[in-house]
Amino acid sequence: QVQLVESGGGLVKPGGSLRLSCAASGFTFSDYYMSWIRQAPGKGLEWLSYISSSDNTIYYADSVKGRFTISRDNAKNSLYLQMNSLRAEDTAVYYCAREFRRWQFDYWGQGTLVTVSS
Amino acid sequence: QSALTQPASVSGSPGQSITISCTGTSSDVGGYKYVSWYQQHPGKAPKLMIHEVSNRPSGVSNRFSGSKSGNTASLTLSGLQTEDEADYYCSSYTSSSTLVFGTGTKVTVL
Repeated sequence: QVQLVESGGGLVKPGGSLRLSCAASGFTFSDYYMSWIRQAPGKGLEWLSYISSSDNTIYYADSVKGRFTISRDNAKNSLYLQMNSLRAEDTAVYYCAREFRRWQFDYWGQGTLVTVSS
Repeated sequence: QSALTQPASVSGSPGQSITISCTGTSSDVGGYKYVSWYQQHPGKAPKLMIHEVSNRPSGVSNRFSGSKSGNTASLTLSGLQTEDEADYYCSSYTSSSTLVFGTGTKVTVL
């Protein structure tokens, strides 16, 4: 069955960096576009970034452009999010999600919590 | 890109029908068919309930239906059940090649 498992979250100081990973299984990862989406505590969903199946198309939300970098390794069935210059407002649960139809997601991971605090 | 506007809360009794609205602009909801709805129970990941405005993925109850008129999309829950109590989010592709989510609606079954 389809599984997406995020890892790499944790506590980091403002200005610090963190790299999130999303391990995919149960489907042909290289066939699917993927996204990162986050949810601050008690708040709504916020889309962050999108990468095409062959990583030649990438988009970012304005809130993370220039600070976050999405990438993927199809040989390792993995999606990544490199997060730099982290701020308190980046504190959230981060989800990876598989695109089912254009910009619509049928499978989500369980999320990994990132806390930015001194 | 501002979040799409949803009512903060909607409630109904078991068996009743409720509708959640999702209002955007011609640059998102009104301009594209890539509008979807997600259900999220506390502490869980979102679940896709409706895609491309009105299509249900396999396994989703036919009590859930979606529609769109102009810049407003709607999700209707018919025959409300206790397990429908959750947060619901709409989302839409935008003209900036980004995705915007709605503000979220808490559904309470009375």
